[in-house]
Amino acid sequence: AQSVTQLGSHVSVSEGALVLLRCNYSSSVPPYLFWYVQYPNQGLQLLLKYTTGATLVKGINGFEAEFKKSETSFHLTKPSAHMSDAAEYFCAVSDVRSNTGKLIFGQGTTLQVKP
Amino acid sequence: DTAVSQTPKYLVTQMGNDKSIKCEQNLGHDTMYWYKQDSKKFLKIMFSYNNKELIINETVPNRFSPKSPDKAHLNLHINSLELGDSAVYFCASSSGTGPGELFFGEGSRLTVL
Repeated sequence: AQSVTQLGSHVSVSEGALVLLRCNYSSSVPPYLFWYVQYPNQGLQLLLKYTTGATLVKGINGFEAEFKKSETSFHLTKPSAHMSDAAEYFCAVSDVRSNTGKLIFGQGTTLQVKP
Repeated sequence: DTAVSQTPKYLVTQMGNDKSIKCEQNLGHDTMYWYKQDSKKFLKIMFSYNNKELIINETVPNRFSPKSPDKAHLNLHINSLELGDSAVYFCASSSGTGPGELFFGEGSRLTVL
């Protein structure tokens, strides 16, 4: 069965500092991987996704993530945090063989950005 | 125009009551979902419909009954509400059933007293 683990339920950075949110997955086959962001009292919004091809993927708002098969990781980074980045971030996995569109989410990481 | 809209946004009710949450998407997508987000913000899929056909039914109590009158709508009816049903329920949609991007509504916060 597939699973996603996000290391650190709460990450705090200063404005302008590097953001690193960690995600590791478990899957018998290379999955499709996603990062979603949830702002307070809102639904989830896709930040970026990896399906096939280039392992470094760029998303919205300056975020990027790198798929590392050997480490079964898909960590999310942003070079310089902005106050508006404060939100809940979810890593998710989808089975490439799936015909249901089902996503399995990690437990989420709350990003706090301090002035 | 809101792509995926849910109503109501907030719902407070007593144990034992029956309630419904409605969802509509104007993206032309074929597949719609219900996800439950608990108090620890953990998201878990409940149901998925593709062109009005149920394709995912996770281990959800049969007090929960989804209904899809057409591919743009997916409603969730909950009978005999329990305290543990308190959560935020998210509707989402996607084009097709293969792995891809989900578009989420803003959520419906259900509080059972």
